[in-house]
Amino acid sequence: EVRLLESGGGLVQPGGSLRLSCGGSGFTFRSYAMTWVRQAPGKGLEWVSSISDRGENTYYADSVKGRFTISRDNSKKTLYLQMNSLRADDTAVYYCARDLGVDVSNAATTPGYWGQGTLVTVSS
Amino acid sequence: DIQLTQSPSSLSASVGDRVTITCRASQDINNFLNWYQQKPGKAPELLIFDGSYFETGLPSRFSGSGSGTDFTFTISSLQPEDFATYYCQTYNNVLLTFGGGTKVDIK
Repeated sequence: EVRLLESGGGLVQPGGSLRLSCGGSGFTFRSYAMTWVRQAPGKGLEWVSSISDRGENTYYADSVKGRFTISRDNSKKTLYLQMNSLRADDTAVYYCARDLGVDVSNAATTPGYWGQGTLVTVSS
Repeated sequence: DIQLTQSPSSLSASVGDRVTITCRASQDINNFLNWYQQKPGKAPELLIFDGSYFETGLPSRFSGSGSGTDFTFTISSLQPEDFATYYCQTYNNVLLTFGGGTKVDIK
């Protein structure tokens, strides 16, 4: 069974930093592109960032480019999202997701399996 | 960047109704269109991928169709557990895009 477990969310002041982690189990972690998607309170889904299976290719939404960094440690089966210069509009539940199929294009396409999410609140 | 426009943004329906949601892309996306269901307080769940494909176990009342710029998601006979928000999603030039969502609630 595919399982994804996010951690690291919490309350942070504007301008602060936070690192989210997502541990994967039940599948060959190194074979799949991974994605972070967020959802602000009462709003829709917003793609944040994706990373290829070996981590050599990373992609970002314009809203987080230059502030967030996605990375992965395949030996630890863990995905990360380093978030710097946080703003109030970054407040959201952050989900990590595994692509449906193995990575053949060095990019995520279809978030097929999702974690339960971790809440990030940016407020003074 | 590609934009996805879902309609309607919300609808009220009864158990047993046929429900149709549309998703229009701002440019041709071939069949690269996925559909998700999200219930309150839960993570989204992938229902349909690449326009019309589904994984084993998906109830047959769910279906997807379309290609190019216009796509449709259909629930043939709405069940109580189907009241949720539905999102379409595509991918293009390594960027992922979600539609705004369609909330299906009880009439």
